[in-house]
Amino acid sequence: RKEVEQDPGPFNVPEGATVAFNCTYSNSASQSFFWYRQDCRKEPKLLMSVYSSGNEDGRFTAQLNRASQYISLLIRDSKLSDSATYLCVVNPLWGGKFQFGAGTQVVVTP
Amino acid sequence: NAGVTQTPKFQVLKTGQSMTLQCAQDMNHEYMSWYRQDPGMGLRLIHYSVGAGITDQGEVPNGYNVSRSTTEDFPLRLLSAAPSQTSVYFCASSSGQGEQFFGPGTRLTVL
Repeated sequence: RKEVEQDPGPFNVPEGATVAFNCTYSNSASQSFFWYRQDCRKEPKLLMSVYSSGNEDGRFTAQLNRASQYISLLIRDSKLSDSATYLCVVNPLWGGKFQFGAGTQVVVTP
Repeated sequence: NAGVTQTPKFQVLKTGQSMTLQCAQDMNHEYMSWYRQDPGMGLRLIHYSVGAGITDQGEVPNGYNVSRSTTEDFPLRLLSAAPSQTSVYFCASSSGQGEQFFGPGTRLTVL
């Protein structure tokens, strides 16, 4: 079983619609959680950190459910520029050994 | 502030050749990591370092060596390249608790 699992998609989303997807992690002691965005196998870039109480950044909302060991990302009012692969990242202990999911592909269509 | 830099951007090797992928960061981060990314596999950790002089193996360390003589540099050595090492390689650094910053990647092909 992988440490961090994601639905690979693709999620095909009409422009302006809402899309949401989850990521599950196996280590219940995990300390920090992130969503990264990756375009066309360029370097991943941080989209947002995920806090215990949930957090928003513009059209993006992230949630953490420690009891069920998953995090989620919701994108509202999808733009064509949101088309990318979204990587779930977990830091199981304080330190630099991050664990990555394989990514969820989102394709926003006109 | 250049962030994380990697060289070369592209490289073609023949089986059995050796080479070093360079990675440097100017953010004074203690933690640095090397990943490889293959289609459908996500990023897999090769080696990482928690500070100068300290390195450890990740998920897929075989065929690779690293060293960390300074905080800034974390080179990755391919000892004897194999076609299975054809991949995109990313170097990353972090302060340990926050986000990781990635370099632009090295696209390696082994013939």
